[in-house]
Amino acid sequence: GAVVSQHPSWVICKSGTSVKIECRSLDFQATTMFWYRQFPKQSLMLMATSNEGSKATYEQGVEKDKFLINHASLTLSTLTVTSAHPEDSSFYICSARVQIVAGVIYEQYFGPGTRLTVT
Amino acid sequence: LAKTTQPISMDSYEGQEVNITCSHNNIATNDYITWYQQFPSQGPRFIIQGYKTKVTNEVASLFIPADRKSSTLSLPRVSLSDTAVYYCLVGDTGANNLFFGTGTRLTVIP
Repeated sequence: GAVVSQHPSWVICKSGTSVKIECRSLDFQATTMFWYRQFPKQSLMLMATSNEGSKATYEQGVEKDKFLINHASLTLSTLTVTSAHPEDSSFYICSARVQIVAGVIYEQYFGPGTRLTVT
Repeated sequence: LAKTTQPISMDSYEGQEVNITCSHNNIATNDYITWYQQFPSQGPRFIIQGYKTKVTNEVASLFIPADRKSSTLSLPRVSLSDTAVYYCLVGDTGANNLFFGTGTRLTVIP
């Protein structure tokens, strides 16, 4: 199956600093990637849709100036958490969409996640 | 976007078959049903996807009745390593907002 990687797998940063998380599709090209956030014992919450070559689409309630998304190539999307605060501590997961049947069926493959802890 | 309802948790003994049912009463014509498995501190892993009737792969089977208002993920002969949270997602797979519900926490007991 398609492989999606994330880097780093975990990061600890001080409050007020910015952190960049990378999401790569290793053996396929992805025009669309997604960023999710998951708090302990909770489900995944979609934050934004990342489109190659265009601006990301953010879900309601997600601050676009705080969570900067860049999808500069067909295999890389980055999420930058700017001026991080302890409440931003969470598990961030990206996914990439793969076309299975042209225009009809897609599958989403997820990265291993990045644990962010803001102190 | 079709909302899904799953049991919050299930327990099963090793070696047994486990069936997890998901209700999605307002599923749309273009919607597919997709199941994911998630272990703690890992990203979800794709298990199976289907539109109608039955789909089987090396890991699981997915049963979808004719009205498509529910679906059942069947895991044959579970082992301890199958302990995880299982999510049922329903939507147009090309849509940009697949919604993760609460999921079902499966615990396999020795």
